[in-house]
Amino acid sequence: AQKITQTQPGMFVQEKEAVTLDCTYDTSDQSYGLFWYKQPSSGEMIFLIYQGSYDEQNATEGRYSLNFQKARKSANLVISASQLGDSAMYFCAMREGIRRSGGYQKVTFGIGTKLQVIP
Amino acid sequence: EAQVTQNPRYLITVTGKKLTVTCSQNMNHEYMSWYRQDPGLGLRQIYYSMNVEVTDKGDVPEGYKVSRKEKRNFPLILESPSPNQTSLYFCASSFRPALHNTGELFFGEGSRLTVL
Repeated sequence: AQKITQTQPGMFVQEKEAVTLDCTYDTSDQSYGLFWYKQPSSGEMIFLIYQGSYDEQNATEGRYSLNFQKARKSANLVISASQLGDSAMYFCAMREGIRRSGGYQKVTFGIGTKLQVIP
Repeated sequence: EAQVTQNPRYLITVTGKKLTVTCSQNMNHEYMSWYRQDPGLGLRQIYYSMNVEVTDKGDVPEGYKVSRKEKRNFPLILESPSPNQTSLYFCASSFRPALHNTGELFFGEGSRLTVL
């Protein structure tokens, strides 16, 4: 089974609108972390936001928020007030076994969602 | 400046000619890892290291070797490159995740390798 599933290969959003990028995950660990990274056309990987499995509140970082639904194993990224500079590839990732000794080595990425912001 | 540095950034080589992609970090991170990125496949982990002299295979280790003799360096070695290793390679590092540390991965700028 896929550890990280991103089902939207491409998305369009109007500038200034909000957009949700979907991510579901699969793990049997109790302690894990979920990340979102942005990759613009220039190629670098930019960390956006983190959610720990024990965090009770959804993470927020500026215009980014993570809609964490633990029972459904989903960690969707919400970008509010989209900007042209948000056009990029977005990757969801999971780090498993955080509290297990030596168990933090696995960081699995999804295949990404390409977001295009329309003026 | 905190950074992960990869070299070379771009390389064109021929089948069978051994090459090494270097990776160095200045953040005293315990964990280092190599990924390859291919269209439609996302990032796939090749090898990782949890500390000096401790390395293990990721999801796609075939055709690659690594070593971790110093904490800051984690080179990726292609002993006999083949065209299917043409890809964009990323090195990444992090602290060990803890209560107040997310274990966020810091990435290098990527190395684009073409094997003819």
